[in-house]
Amino acid sequence: GIQVEQSPPDLILQEGANSTLRCNFSDSVNNLQWFHQNPWGQLINLFYIPSGTKQNGRLSATTVATERYSLLYISSSQTTDSGVYFCAVALVSGYALNFGKGTSLLVTP
Amino acid sequence: DTAVSQTPKYLVTQMGNDKSIKCEQNLGHDTMYWYKQDSKKFLKIMFSYNNKELIINETVPNRFSPKSPDKAHLNLHINSLELGDSAVYFCASSQGHNSPLHFGNGTRLTVT
Repeated sequence: GIQVEQSPPDLILQEGANSTLRCNFSDSVNNLQWFHQNPWGQLINLFYIPSGTKQNGRLSATTVATERYSLLYISSSQTTDSGVYFCAVALVSGYALNFGKGTSLLVTP
Repeated sequence: DTAVSQTPKYLVTQMGNDKSIKCEQNLGHDTMYWYKQDSKKFLKIMFSYNNKELIINETVPNRFSPKSPDKAHLNLHINSLELGDSAVYFCASSQGHNSPLHFGNGTRLTVT
């Protein structure tokens, strides 16, 4: 099956810092999404971004499908950004999202 | 006005018992899923239903049986529970497969 690799696995930031999370995938995809799992376990959809760039407040994401990677940018991080960030992809011929192992982010005051 | 709701939130039971988890979505989506999140937080697809029809059935033991009475509901019944079934089970929905996925808040199943 498709391989999804996220880096870094863990990240600690001070409030106000910026960060970039990376997602590499091994095959052609037509569906790529980023999720945030907060400390209470809720999974929130951040972006549906099979290609191109999108922005939502302090968060933005870019997917370069031809080079098989996606980046999630977090600017001016806040403690509420803490949690696990998942990248998930589906093959062109696939039906369900395959998740990476996530990046665990801790933002300290 | 919760979009994807699943019940119960917590489920503690003994080995060998049978239990069910219910899921309902009010987003008007036609596709629903069950995902399992293990203790290392890895999320894995179990089942996918599109318009009440089973589309995906990953290598899940036969003890797990999903049932979709209509497009808005996808329930999960588990027979003869085992210790290894302890996990968080997430229901999710989307409009078709290539659109944003929306998750419920999860059901934490503990088998003792």
